[in-house]
Amino acid sequence: EPEVTQTPSHQVTQMGQEVILRCVPISNHLYFYWYRQILGQKVEFLVSFYNNEISEKSEIFDDQFSVERPDGSNFTLKIRSTKLEDSAMYFCASRGTGLREAFFGQGTRLTVV
Amino acid sequence: SQELEQSPQSLIVQEGKNLTINCTSSKTLYGLYWYKQKYGEGLIFLMMLQKGGEEKSHEKITAKLDEKKQQSSLHITASQPSHAGIYLCGVNYGGSQGNLIFGKGTKLSVKP
Repeated sequence: EPEVTQTPSHQVTQMGQEVILRCVPISNHLYFYWYRQILGQKVEFLVSFYNNEISEKSEIFDDQFSVERPDGSNFTLKIRSTKLEDSAMYFCASRGTGLREAFFGQGTRLTVV
Repeated sequence: SQELEQSPQSLIVQEGKNLTINCTSSKTLYGLYWYKQKYGEGLIFLMMLQKGGEEKSHEKITAKLDEKKQQSSLHITASQPSHAGIYLCGVNYGGSQGNLIFGKGTKLSVKP
């Protein structure tokens, strides 16, 4: 069964460092998303990506964040200068056409120290 | 106040018992999605509801959408330990890109 895969599963980084979280969405999907979940809190929408550009973003998704689809398969989230409060589980999701369900990856646990 | 309220926040039931989890939206919704999350893991899609009165089932889990009340209920029949986890409802509020707003979740524990 096709699935969304994320790497790494866990990343520890020093405050101020740049991190890139990687995702391989399901191959024929067209919409891609990043969400995050701070420990013990809700899953929060960060950004959606369609047709090679950002289609919507939340207030959380500030200039520190960027997304890219560098080739036909990968979808990345970059955090330029990490802060302690960026520590969270980051989920990638992808969706086919129409308002069908989104499929989520297993997440990357980011710990900023 | 929250856009999306889930109740209860947590639930402990004896194996074999039935249970219901609710999700209520304060705004008009255009689609409601139920997911299950095990601690520290990804979200597993359960069901999607889009029309008022719609009801869907997956194994022993049934979900209904009451469009008038902007509410959905998720019902588990004869609960099993494998049903344990966090149940999340996510709502599309009309964004064309389909991004979801999630509730805080209901943590379900099933005692054998």
